[in-house]
Amino acid sequence: NAGVTQTPKFQVLKTGQSMTLQCAQDMNHEYMSWYRQDPGMGLRLIHYSVGAGITDQGEVPNGYNVSRSTTEDFPLRLLSAAPSQTSVYFCASRAEQGRTEAFFGQGTRLTVV
Amino acid sequence: AQSVSQHNHHVILSEAASLELGCNYSYGGTVNLFWYVQYPGQHLQLLLKYFSGDPLVKGIKGFEAEFIKSKFSFNLRKPSVQWSDTAEYFCAVIRNTGFQKLVFGTGTRLLVSP
Repeated sequence: NAGVTQTPKFQVLKTGQSMTLQCAQDMNHEYMSWYRQDPGMGLRLIHYSVGAGITDQGEVPNGYNVSRSTTEDFPLRLLSAAPSQTSVYFCASRAEQGRTEAFFGQGTRLTVV
Repeated sequence: AQSVSQHNHHVILSEAASLELGCNYSYGGTVNLFWYVQYPGQHLQLLLKYFSGDPLVKGIKGFEAEFIKSKFSFNLRKPSVQWSDTAEYFCAVIRNTGFQKLVFGTGTRLLVSP
C-alpha cells in the first residue's frame, strides 16, 4: 500500500510565485490535513477536510488554499509565496472517527527565496 | 494559548538512562492521546496511542505512556534509552468534539549519546 503520498519532496520558489503541493491517500480515509513544521513550533494545522467537498481552516491558514474534490486527493495551494512560508509541509490522513491514528506523508521541504 | 504543552524542548541522555517526556493538554471532556516520533529526515510515525481503558499504554520499541486524567497529562517513558532513540517526539491530542482536529505539541528533541 502506498499510504499517503506527497509530491514534490523538495521545492524552491521565488517570492510571489504560486504552486500546489499534492497529497493523495489510498486508504479511503475521510479526514485529511495539512501541517507545517517549523523549528521549535511543532506541527501547526493549516487546513483540514472531513470529507469530499468539506474543508475548514486550522491554526495558520493565511496564504494557503485547499479543496477536496475526491476522497483521495487534498492539494494545498500557495497563492503568492512568501519567505515566511519556508517550512516542511506534511499531509496526514485518518479514518473518520477520532479513535484512529493519523498516517503521514514523507513531507515537502519548501524554500521561498 | 498552547493546547498541548511539551515542557522539555531538548533532552540529552546517555545510553541506558531512563527517559520521561512530559505532555499536558488543556481540553476538558473526552480526548484521544498519541505520541509520535520523527527520526532525522523522516516523517512522523506512531509510537503509541490511548483511547480508553488501562491508562498505562505500551507502544513500540519499549516505550510506554501513562494517562493521568486528573492532571491532564500523558507522559512518555522508556526505562533504558538507546542511541537509536535519538529523534524528535511529539505529543498529540484529538478532542472528541466537533471536527476532532489532531493538535500537536511543540515537540521534544532527544539526543542520546553513546
